[in-house]
Amino acid sequence: AQSVSQHNHHVILSEAASLELGCNYSYGGTVNLFWYVQYPGQHLQLLLKYFSGDPLVKGIKGFEAEFIKSKFSFNLRKPSVQWSDTAEYFCAVNARNQAGTALIFGKGTTLSVSS
Amino acid sequence: ETGVTQSPTHLIKTRGQQVTLRCSSQSGHNTVSWYQQALGQGPQFIFQYYREEENGRGNFPPRFSGLQFPNYSSELNVNALELDDSALYLCASSLAGNNEQFFGPGTRLTVL
Repeated sequence: AQSVSQHNHHVILSEAASLELGCNYSYGGTVNLFWYVQYPGQHLQLLLKYFSGDPLVKGIKGFEAEFIKSKFSFNLRKPSVQWSDTAEYFCAVNARNQAGTALIFGKGTTLSVSS
Repeated sequence: ETGVTQSPTHLIKTRGQQVTLRCSSQSGHNTVSWYQQALGQGPQFIFQYYREEENGRGNFPPRFSGLQFPNYSSELNVNALELDDSALYLCASSLAGNNEQFFGPGTRLTVL
């Protein structure tokens, strides 16, 4: 069965600090990978996705993630965080080219950015 | 383009009751997935509907059931509610063959 592990439960940073949130998945086949963000009081929004091609993907709001197949990882990065990045971040995976595929989510990482 | 909408926003029920949650998919999307997000957890897949039929199911008991209508909107029904069913229920829509899902704001269910 597929699973997703997010290593950091709660990360606290000051504005302008760099961010890296870890994500590892377990699945033997070809996957699609996603990072979603949930701002306080708002619904889940897609930050970025990887389907194929360049393993370094860029998303909205200056976020990027790198897919490392050999490590089954898809870590999220941002060079300089802002107070407005305070949110819950979820890594998710689903199996490519299968009908009825669910998104399997990690437990999430809460990011708190102080100004 | 209208996004995914869900109703109601909040709901309070007591143990043993039944509840129906509703979801309207994003314009043009024909696939709807439902997720349960307990407090402090990531969303967990309940099931997915495509062409009005269940097209995949997670590890949830049969008292969780659903429907999809010809206009692609969907309902989630939960019978015999338990305290542990208290959660945020998320609906996501997508286009068949495209794995990107778009989420609605969710329905917060509290079971007392």
